[in-house]
Amino acid sequence: AQSVAQPEDQVNVAEGNPLTVKCTYSVSGNPYLFWYVQYPNRGLQFLLKYITGDNLVKGSYGFEAEFNKSQTSFHLKKPSALVSDSALYFCAVRDGSSASKIIFGSGTRLSIRP
Amino acid sequence: SAVISQKPSRDICQRGTSLTIQCQVDSQVTMMFWYRQQPGQSLTLIATANQGSEATYESGFVIDKFPISRPNLTFSTLTVSNMSPEDSSIYLCSVGTGTNTDTQYFGPGTRLTVL
Repeated sequence: AQSVAQPEDQVNVAEGNPLTVKCTYSVSGNPYLFWYVQYPNRGLQFLLKYITGDNLVKGSYGFEAEFNKSQTSFHLKKPSALVSDSALYFCAVRDGSSASKIIFGSGTRLSIRP
Repeated sequence: SAVISQKPSRDICQRGTSLTIQCQVDSQVTMMFWYRQQPGQSLTLIATANQGSEATYESGFVIDKFPISRPNLTFSTLTVSNMSPEDSSIYLCSVGTGTNTDTQYFGPGTRLTVL
């Protein structure tokens, strides 16, 4: 069965510093990995995904994520955080062996202080 | 990506009543899904809305409680029946192509409070 873990409920970073939001996964086939962001009182917005190819995936708003097969991780990163990046971030995974449903992690609340 | 709208955006309802949530997409989509997000928690898939046939429900969700309609490729409704305070959640519609590499896109959500 597929699963995804976000070990940190909250991440606090000062504006201008680099940020990392962690995600690890477990699937039986090839993983298809996604990051979404949810701003207050809004739906989920797609940030980026890894399907195949380059392990470093670039997405919206300056975010990127690195796929690491040996560590089964897909951490979200940004070189320089903005206060406007403060939101709830969800990692998600789909087992690539079939058109199966997406499983979401528990979410990490990112707080950027000025 | 598709533009997805939901109605209502929020509602406050009394225990024992029902609420129907609408999801409208600006283009034809293969797959439509309904999720629930309880306060401070992750998303849980309720069901996949199938066009022209009965919805496919996930474990723990039943048609009598969450009847779903999908009359065409751009529209779906989710009804939350006989509501209780435990049904207070955000309900999200999402769409996709149904392929392995597919990205699902989400509507803005409906925030439901049951008193």
